[in-house]
Amino acid sequence: AQKVTQAQTEISVVEKEDVTLDCVYETRDTTYYLFWYKQPPSGELVFLIRRNSFDEQNEISGRYSWNFQKSTSSFNFTITASQVVDSAVYFCALSEARSQGNLIFGKGTKLSVKP
Amino acid sequence: DSGVTQTPKHLITATGQRVTLRCSPRSGDLSVYWYQQSLDQGLQFLIHYYNGEERAKGNILERFSAQQFPDLHSELNLSSLELGDSALYFCASSSSWDREQYFGPGTRLTVT
Repeated sequence: AQKVTQAQTEISVVEKEDVTLDCVYETRDTTYYLFWYKQPPSGELVFLIRRNSFDEQNEISGRYSWNFQKSTSSFNFTITASQVVDSAVYFCALSEARSQGNLIFGKGTKLSVKP
Repeated sequence: DSGVTQTPKHLITATGQRVTLRCSPRSGDLSVYWYQQSLDQGLQFLIHYYNGEERAKGNILERFSAQQFPDLHSELNLSSLELGDSALYFCASSSSWDREQYFGPGTRLTVT
C-alpha cells in the first residue's frame, strides 16, 4: 500500500539556519508523482513542487531545494537561510497513476523559525 | 490566491444536521478533489470528480456525498453529522490527474 512518512513531527531552528525536512514514500507503482505543500498558520495549503518518478534531478528554487532519490525512496526538502516567514507545517504527498491523482499525505512537519 | 474558491469559510452546526460545502475550481480545471483535515486523521482524500463524473473514492463515509455540476463547481454534502465530523474540508482542482493540485482556503466545520 502507498504510504508517506515524515518522521520529524516538529523542528525548531533559529533564523538563517539551514533545515532539511525528510520524506520517505512507499509505492508499488512505477509511475508516480511527489509533491510538497506548505500550510502556514493561516491554514491554506500552498503548492511548492511536483516531481515525477522518472526525473531524479534535484531542483532549486531560491532558498528552497529538493533532493529526490529513488534508491532510498526519499524526497527531502531543504530550506537554506531560513526566515521567520518559513514557519509553517510542511506536507509531503504522493500520487500514483493507478489512483488517478488523489494525494496521499504524510502527517506533516511543523517548522518553527525563531528570530 | 490559488484561484480555487470555497464557501462558506466557517460553518457551525449541531449533531444530526446536514450541510453543503461548495467549491469552484480554477478556470479551466476539470478535476475537483475533496480532502478532510483533522487532528487525529491528518489530511485524507475523500473523492475525485472529473468533468462531472466520479473518478475515485477514498475514505468517504456513506453519510457524505458529492457531485460536480456542468459549470464544474462541486458540492460536498455531509449528513447526519457527528461530533467527529468536525474538521477542515479542502477542495482542490487540477488540469489533469498528473498535475499539481491547487487548494481552496478550506471550510472549517464545527459540529456541536
